[in-house]
Amino acid sequence: EVQLVESGGGLVQPGGSLRLSCAVSEFSLRNYWMSWVRQAPGKGLEWVASIRQDGNEKYYVDSVKGRFTISRDNAKNSLYLQMDSLRAEDTAVYFCARDGGGYETHWGQGTLVTVSS
Amino acid sequence: DIQMTQSPSTLSASVGDRVTITCRASQNINNYLVWYQQKPGKAPKLLISQASSLQSGVPSRFSASGSGTEFTLSISSLQPDDFATYHCQQHKSYPRTFGQGTKVEIK
Repeated sequence: EVQLVESGGGLVQPGGSLRLSCAVSEFSLRNYWMSWVRQAPGKGLEWVASIRQDGNEKYYVDSVKGRFTISRDNAKNSLYLQMDSLRAEDTAVYFCARDGGGYETHWGQGTLVTVSS
Repeated sequence: DIQMTQSPSTLSASVGDRVTITCRASQNINNYLVWYQQKPGKAPKLLISQASSLQSGVPSRFSASGSGTEFTLSISSLQPDDFATYHCQQHKSYPRTFGQGTKVEIK
């Protein structure tokens, strides 16, 4: 069974940084586009970023451009999201997801990021 | 960016009811639309791809249709396990965008 497990969430002060990781198993990461999607408390889903299989094509939602960086290590079957200059409005559960056909087909359980002083 | 608008935001219904959720796109997205079901504290689950293709294992009481800018998700006979929030998402272009969600609650 496909598994995605996020880690790295926590409490961080505004302006701080955090690096999220997503460890995948039961499939080879190198074969799939991957994405991060977030959900603020009590709110809807927001796509954050996607990355191509080889890591050479990336897309971001405007609100995180220049602050967040998506990356991957196919040899380690791991996906990452480096989050810098964090703001209160970045507070959310962050899900990593495997893409299939341009949309998210399999999701992790999520990791909570809280930006607060 | 393509805006996705779902209606209603909340839907109160009883077991056995037929319910329909609408999702409208601000521009033509052909059939690049998916539907997810999400339960509290859980990750979304993919129900429908390509606007109308039921994913393997999803009960046949779920159906979806539409193309272009207007889409619907229907549940023919609501079951207790169906009380959840439903999200539409377009993947015609980046940024991928979601509707605001429709919560189906017990009447």
